[in-house]
Amino acid sequence: QVQLVQSGAEVKKPGASVKVSCKASGYTFIDSYMYWLRQAPGQGLEWVGWINLNSGDTKYAQKFQGRVTVTRDTSITTAYMELSSLISDDTAVYYCARRLSGCDLDFWGQGTLVTVSS
Amino acid sequence: EIVLTQSPGTLSLSPGERATLSCRASQSVKNNYLAWYQQKPGQAPRLLIYGASSRATGIPDRFSGSGSGTDFTLTISRLEPEDFAVYYCQQYGISPRTFGQGTKVEIK
Repeated sequence: QVQLVQSGAEVKKPGASVKVSCKASGYTFIDSYMYWLRQAPGQGLEWVGWINLNSGDTKYAQKFQGRVTVTRDTSITTAYMELSSLISDDTAVYYCARRLSGCDLDFWGQGTLVTVSS
Repeated sequence: EIVLTQSPGTLSLSPGERATLSCRASQSVKNNYLAWYQQKPGQAPRLLIYGASSRATGIPDRFSGSGSGTDFTLTISRLEPEDFAVYYCQQYGISPRTFGQGTKVEIK
């Protein structure tokens, strides 16, 4: 069965960076895109960026341009999202989600809480 | 970017009743690439509908999506206890993909 398992919760100080991982299993890794989204406490969903797991091409929301980097390691079927220059407003649950051609975000990771606090 | 406005903000209904949720876009959604997600507290969102009207794998047929252009609807024909949750619409036809603010379906 398809599973996306994310790394654990993180607490970071303002100005630091965080790197969240998303281990995929149960399907052909490179046949999909991996999306990253976030949800601030009590708020709605926001798209951060995506990566084509085959080519490595990426696209980021303009809001995060220059601060976010999404990568993947096909040998261990894992995608990563790194966010730098953290501020308190970056406190959120970060999700990875798979997208296959012809569908939308059909499987999601369990989420990773990133807390930014001095 | 496309702004999605969901209504109502909260829907108070009893099990067995019909729920109708609305999502209006600030401009036409390309190819009707509109999806609906369900989210329960402490859980990741779950894809219900994509392409405005296609049910995702494993989604019960009491969930249906309709609409085109700028006006879309999610209908739950008969609410089950497990359907009380927050529902989000999302467009993915034009980058950046954007979400509505959500509709909470609560038990009356």
